[in-house]
Amino acid sequence: DGGITQSPKYLFRKEGQNVTLSCEQNLNHDAMYWYRQDPGQGLRLIYYSQIVNDFQKGDIAEGYSVSREKKESFPLTVTSAQKNPTAFYLCASTTTGLRSYNEQFFGPGTRLTVL
Amino acid sequence: AQSVSQHNHHVILSEAASLELGCNYSYGGTVNLFWYVQYPGQHLQLLLKYFSGDPLVKGIKGFEAEFIKSKFSFNLRKPSVQWSDTAEYFCAVTGNAGNNRKLIWGLGTSLAVNP
Repeated sequence: DGGITQSPKYLFRKEGQNVTLSCEQNLNHDAMYWYRQDPGQGLRLIYYSQIVNDFQKGDIAEGYSVSREKKESFPLTVTSAQKNPTAFYLCASTTTGLRSYNEQFFGPGTRLTVL
Repeated sequence: AQSVSQHNHHVILSEAASLELGCNYSYGGTVNLFWYVQYPGQHLQLLLKYFSGDPLVKGIKGFEAEFIKSKFSFNLRKPSVQWSDTAEYFCAVTGNAGNNRKLIWGLGTSLAVNP
């Protein structure tokens, strides 16, 4: 089945530790995105990548880092510099083909809790 | 500035009631419009989308939305809701070409349907 996988589903970390969230897609999509979802705040864009080895900051990039070494993978690192890291993190992807119309497909999410 | 406004943050309905969730956007140029739904414990998934053509679009599970260009609106409707429609609903807009592939999201509407 084609889709997006995120692991783990739940993640607990101590304050001050960096943590990396995994996102893998087998949809052959070019563009990938990381969002943070907090209650009442909708989806806020952290980082996005439209092509391998290139990525751009979203609206709330501070305290996060990403890499895009492979088309299928777009891991997100939540660093100790992120002041309020406890949240639900969603990964998405889209094709950049002419008829994609930018519809995004989502993974199941990772709920990160920093203790 | 590009933005999406969802008028209702929380909606509570009884089964068989009619539903209309408001969505207004501010975005220059040609737009693609989306409604996504997030059922409890499930992936964020596409409910329906508008790219061009008939402004009344039909989606899954009996939902429909109407694009009114003059009002910059894309309201979601369902004539008779079911308990299983309990979910969070997000409206989103994006551009139609080039590098403009980011989605601009509304804050979401939480719908609770009482049996």
